[in-house]
Amino acid sequence: EVQLLESGGGLVQPGGSLRLSCAASGFTFDTYALIWVRQAPGKGLEWVSAISVSGVSTNYADSVKGRFTIFRDNSKNTLYLQMNSLRAEDTAIYYCARDGYHIWSFDYWGQGTLVTVSS
Amino acid sequence: EIVLTQSPATLSLSPGERATLSCRASQRVVNYIAWYQQKAGQAPRLLIYDSSNRATGIPARFSGSGFGTDFTLTISSLEPEDFAVYYCQQRSNWPLTFGGGTKVEIK
Repeated sequence: EVQLLESGGGLVQPGGSLRLSCAASGFTFDTYALIWVRQAPGKGLEWVSAISVSGVSTNYADSVKGRFTIFRDNSKNTLYLQMNSLRAEDTAIYYCARDGYHIWSFDYWGQGTLVTVSS
Repeated sequence: EIVLTQSPATLSLSPGERATLSCRASQRVVNYIAWYQQKAGQAPRLLIYDSSNRATGIPARFSGSGFGTDFTLTISSLEPEDFAVYYCQQRSNWPLTFGGGTKVEIK
């Protein structure tokens, strides 16, 4: 069974840092691209970042470019999102998801981890 | 950035009725549109990819169509479990973008 399990969320002060993890199981991790998507409370979905199978190619939303870094460790079947210089507007549930059809459409999602940026 | 505009924002229907949801792109996206369903407190679920292809395990009452800038998700006969929020997503250009969502609620 395919599973994605996010962790690392929590309460952080503005300007602080947090690293999210997404542990994958049930599939061959190093053959799928992955993304992070976030959802602010009561709002819609916002794509945050994407990473290729090898990890060499990455993309970021303008809202997080220069502050967030996506990377993966294929030996540990884990995806990461390093978030620096956090702002109140980064408060959201963060989901990781798998590009199951290799066309940037996402067939499996984790349950999400909540990040709250507040003083 | 490609903006996806979904309409209506809310659709009030009864079980058994047909639901028609619209997604309009600010520029042509070929057929590179996916549709997701999200229930309260849950992660999104992929329904349709590349405009008209049902994802694995998705019931046949869900269908998608469209090309270019205008896309439609149709639920032929609403089941109680179909009342949820639906999002479209484009993969034609970076950044990937989602529409604002359509809530299908029980009338």
